[in-house]
Amino acid sequence: AQSVTQLDSHVSVSEGTPVLLRCNYSSSYSPSLFWYVQHPNKGLQLLLKYTSAATLVKGINGFEAEFKKSETSFHLTKPSAHMSDAAEYFCVVSAYTGRRALTFGSGTRLQVQP
Amino acid sequence: DGGITQSPKYLFRKEGQNVTLSCEQNLNHDAMYWYRQDPGQGLRLIYYSQIVNDFQKGDIAEGYSVSREKKESFPLTVTSAQKNPTAFYLCASTRESNQPQHFGDGTRLSIL
Repeated sequence: AQSVTQLDSHVSVSEGTPVLLRCNYSSSYSPSLFWYVQHPNKGLQLLLKYTSAATLVKGINGFEAEFKKSETSFHLTKPSAHMSDAAEYFCVVSAYTGRRALTFGSGTRLQVQP
Repeated sequence: DGGITQSPKYLFRKEGQNVTLSCEQNLNHDAMYWYRQDPGQGLRLIYYSQIVNDFQKGDIAEGYSVSREKKESFPLTVTSAQKNPTAFYLCASTRESNQPQHFGDGTRLSIL
């Protein structure tokens, strides 16, 4: 079985300050992990992915995430928030369970204050 | 550009009516998925298909049906048996299971 827990349902930061979105996972298999972003009434766009190569993963728009197996975490960070970063963010785990489907966290809504 | 096209963007259903949501992809992906998204929740898997003419139930398949007659197309029918169909529906596809899924822009279904 696999599961994903996003520890904050809502995060608010000021423009230009760092962003931290927290994600813990559990999986019986070696997982692939992803972060997606969703803007209102849109589909999900891939930010970055971890697939057992480097533990520090760089993504688009200045985001990065670090895979920590000992802590079963995959937190998303960005050094300096921009107004356009305001959106919903989903942490996702994929592990072969015979079903080949993704398990989504419940999402973190990021608000960026001017 | 390759991608996934979902239509319509907005859809309204009357009581007792079946409605069909369209999903087409030109990415040459084998696997396709349907998810349901409710406010404040993550995505839940309705159905998925790993190959043409084959599909499997996901976590919340009751009240829904699908077909996969062509590689490019994976339509979802919301039947009258689905008593709470109001949600945002997302279609996705991928080449391999450990690779990211590509998503369409969704269809928002509401009840009249």
